[in-house]
Amino acid sequence: EPEVTQTPSHQVTQMGQEVILRCVPISNHLYFYWYRQILGQKVEFLVSFYNNEISEKSEIFDDQFSVERPDGSNFTLKIRSTKLEDSAMYFCASSEWTGDYNEQFFGPGTRLTVL
Amino acid sequence: DQQVKQNSPSLSVQEGRISILNCDYTNSMFDYFLWYKKYPAEGPTFLISISSIKDKNEDGRFTVFLNKSAKHLSLHIVPSQPGDSAVYFCAASRQNAGNNRKLIWGLGTSLAVNP
Repeated sequence: EPEVTQTPSHQVTQMGQEVILRCVPISNHLYFYWYRQILGQKVEFLVSFYNNEISEKSEIFDDQFSVERPDGSNFTLKIRSTKLEDSAMYFCASSEWTGDYNEQFFGPGTRLTVL
Repeated sequence: DQQVKQNSPSLSVQEGRISILNCDYTNSMFDYFLWYKKYPAEGPTFLISISSIKDKNEDGRFTVFLNKSAKHLSLHIVPSQPGDSAVYFCAASRQNAGNNRKLIWGLGTSLAVNP
């Protein structure tokens, strides 16, 4: 069964460093998303991506964040200068266009720890 | 942001009995609702969904009921099995101008099914 994969599973970084989180969505899916979950809090939407551009982004997704689909299979989230409060689980998701409604399928997540 | 609320942080049921997980929402623009199951150290797994034009959707042991007037949905699991023990998230969405659908999440309910 096709699945969304994410690497690395755990990333530890120093505050101010750049990190790139990688995702391989399901191959025939057209819509891509990043969410994050800070420990003990709700899952929060960060950004959605379709047709090689951002469709929507949340207030969290400021100038320090960027997304890219560099090669037609990978979907990356870059945080340019990490802050302590960026520590969270980051989930990538993808969905196919099935009309008005579509389920999003999630990867296993990357745990980002900023020291 | 309290648009999706799961007021019970935990629920414990006996194997073979019914599990009922509840979810309330405040945004009347939501038109699609999903339930996800999450095990520790894994990403959310899609379980079942319902669009706002329906009031019930069934898939095997899982049934979701939607009461639009009360802005309430529930997930019924019958019969409950020990393998159902996980955190269950309610999520809601509405279509935005970009045709993608960010998910707005509840805090989750941790279900324990006891043998």
